[in-house]
Amino acid sequence: QSVLTQPPSASGTPGQRVSISCSGSRFNIGGNAVDWYQQVPGAAPKLLIYNNNQRPSGVPDRFFGSRSGTSASLAISGLQSEDEADYYCAAWDDSLNGWVFGGGTKLTVL
Amino acid sequence: QVTLQEPGPVLVKPTETLTLTCTVSGFSLSKTRLGVSWIRQPPGKALEWLAHISSNDERSYSTSLKRRLTISKDTSKSQVVLTMTNMDPVDTATYYCARIRVVQGVIGWADYWGQGTLVTVSS
Repeated sequence: QSVLTQPPSASGTPGQRVSISCSGSRFNIGGNAVDWYQQVPGAAPKLLIYNNNQRPSGVPDRFFGSRSGTSASLAISGLQSEDEADYYCAAWDDSLNGWVFGGGTKLTVL
Repeated sequence: QVTLQEPGPVLVKPTETLTLTCTVSGFSLSKTRLGVSWIRQPPGKALEWLAHISSNDERSYSTSLKRRLTISKDTSKSQVVLTMTNMDPVDTATYYCARIRVVQGVIGWADYWGQGTLVTVSS
């Protein structure tokens, strides 16, 4: 059971906007920044969003991160087939004194 | 160019100790506000953080696994080593090392990842 809670799956059609939620507590998301990682099958995770809403160089602005209270969200607009992957949220947890991940959301592009 | 390199596939027997070495390039293990973490992923399952070592040698461990884990580094060799004792088949997973941006003394984000190494625990 992951400390951060994500829906196991999400889907959308090309061009659509989809959103993936990540729910935590005051010990993690409520007090620390959230990151998001994209993992395509067979590959290592790739940093998508850091500091709640910052995009590393090279990540398209179709990806948008936000945080409110003890929850965070990743929105993907203009969905493309290449966006089909697993998405993970992560944050530092002050209670566990460790880094915690969500259970991952498998995004399917229909 | 930042890279992190883990070894090739590893097979260990139950109760044995696993030792994994991550060799980094493109940055120094002594650079402030950087660190290296190990993260694992059992087949078909989620990512799980294991351990972290910072530029000033501060270490942190997963609460559930800390009794079995040791992380260390050799800055001159640009290597970070993870040992995990008493391996069990449930520890079968891909093990990743990742470069960490440290923010206000804690893990901020992982901006570079190794390709991962599959560790299989089987007799």
